[in-house]
Amino acid sequence: QQKVQQSPESLTVSEGAMASLNCTFSDGTSDNFRWYRQHSGKGLEVLVSIFSDGEKEEGRFTAHLNRASLHVSLHIREPQPSDSAVYLCAMSVSNTDKVVFGTGTRLQVSP
Amino acid sequence: DAGVTQTPRHEVAEKGQTIILKCEPVSGHNDLFWYRQTKIQGLELLSYFRSKSLMEDGGAFKDRFKAEMLNSSFSTLKIQPTEPKDSAVYLCASSPGLGEDTQYFGPGTRLLVL
Repeated sequence: QQKVQQSPESLTVSEGAMASLNCTFSDGTSDNFRWYRQHSGKGLEVLVSIFSDGEKEEGRFTAHLNRASLHVSLHIREPQPSDSAVYLCAMSVSNTDKVVFGTGTRLQVSP
Repeated sequence: DAGVTQTPRHEVAEKGQTIILKCEPVSGHNDLFWYRQTKIQGLELLSYFRSKSLMEDGGAFKDRFKAEMLNSSFSTLKIQPTEPKDSAVYLCASSPGLGEDTQYFGPGTRLLVL
């Protein structure tokens, strides 16, 4: 059964400093990976979708995927207090509709 | 404790039909979300209720998608009329709210529109 481990559980960074979040997944049978953000009291919003090894940038958000090391990361450039939220990585399992979510990282960006 | 339940698990509809999907949130949860999930787009928020009040109605999905929450333990999502592009998995999630944001997802309803 596929699993996704997310780290750290919580992270505090200063405004303008790079924030880095990580996910390690249990095997490579996945179509794609996504990073979602959830602000308090809001639904999930997609930040970045990445389908192949390498890097994918969407504005200030950059995802890195390395299937060989079973690792996907999210880097937030110049984070702002409004980026304070819970960040979830999600793995789409090949040949199924199944999506496995990580446990989330609570990011706090201090002014 | 029962988690989020959704029915039916699978639905096949012809173009133009009306379908209603059902969701029962975790007992005691204040927030309820409806999402559409596809391989290409990932999760897209359709509706969000807080204490049975509609807080967000998903913008682009307004015209044919209508979610209702008649009581705190039951919600429906109506798609009328259905189109082939609506084929997707529809997920319902609930969270305690009141500062506790973790969303608990149901198993989803897989919809195929022919």
